[in-house]
Amino acid sequence: GAGVSQSPSNKVTEKGKDVELRCDPISGHTALYWYRQSLGQGLEFLIYFQGNSAPDKSGLPSDRFSAERTGGSVSTLTIQRTQQEDSAVYLCASSLQINYGYTFGSGTRLTVV
Amino acid sequence: AQSVAQPEDQVNVAEGNPLTVKCTYSVSGNPYLFWYVQYPNRGLQFLLKYITGDNLVKGSYGFEAEFNKSQTSFHLKKPSALVSDSALYFCAALSGGSYIPTFGRGTSLIVHP
Repeated sequence: GAGVSQSPSNKVTEKGKDVELRCDPISGHTALYWYRQSLGQGLEFLIYFQGNSAPDKSGLPSDRFSAERTGGSVSTLTIQRTQQEDSAVYLCASSLQINYGYTFGSGTRLTVV
Repeated sequence: AQSVAQPEDQVNVAEGNPLTVKCTYSVSGNPYLFWYVQYPNRGLQFLLKYITGDNLVKGSYGFEAEFNKSQTSFHLKKPSALVSDSALYFCAALSGGSYIPTFGRGTSLIVHP
């Protein structure tokens, strides 16, 4: 596609429910990143996928968070048993090569009530 | 470890005046440096990058940034600010051996008419 597509754009969920966030990167981009943006906290790295290699999960804040990338393309970030502190904007980015820069999606705004 | 500091949460400037948004970094080896801009309810948009070569890099919308190795800085500049430049600006750094960029906390630029 022309850009990185994320869905849904907004998600309101009840505390304790599971949510799935989707990212569709630019076709051909082998690198895919998930970041979390909280008010006043900047961007927090969550997970990195590169091709068919094992993902770098070092940024995931707890075992309630997981992500997968199917066929080297679409990625899904899953948050189980959501908590209020999970409320944030979740951003996905893809890249063809690290020194080319990154293309970000518009994000999913998650609100846990 | 990589780190990026944006010492100002907010920068205010009058339209037509020059603007500077500050960024300092700490990475091992030679850095890759990036600036991104985020408009309300949008993802991050790439402005410019420094990989190697000339210390002064020019990017989108008339922005430029100067890489200063001795001061480990990569300040974003524009000679004449526009009201439409008002947005959130993020600096990012990546060391040569890493694949995961570290972002600063962001600086809110407000350009007054």
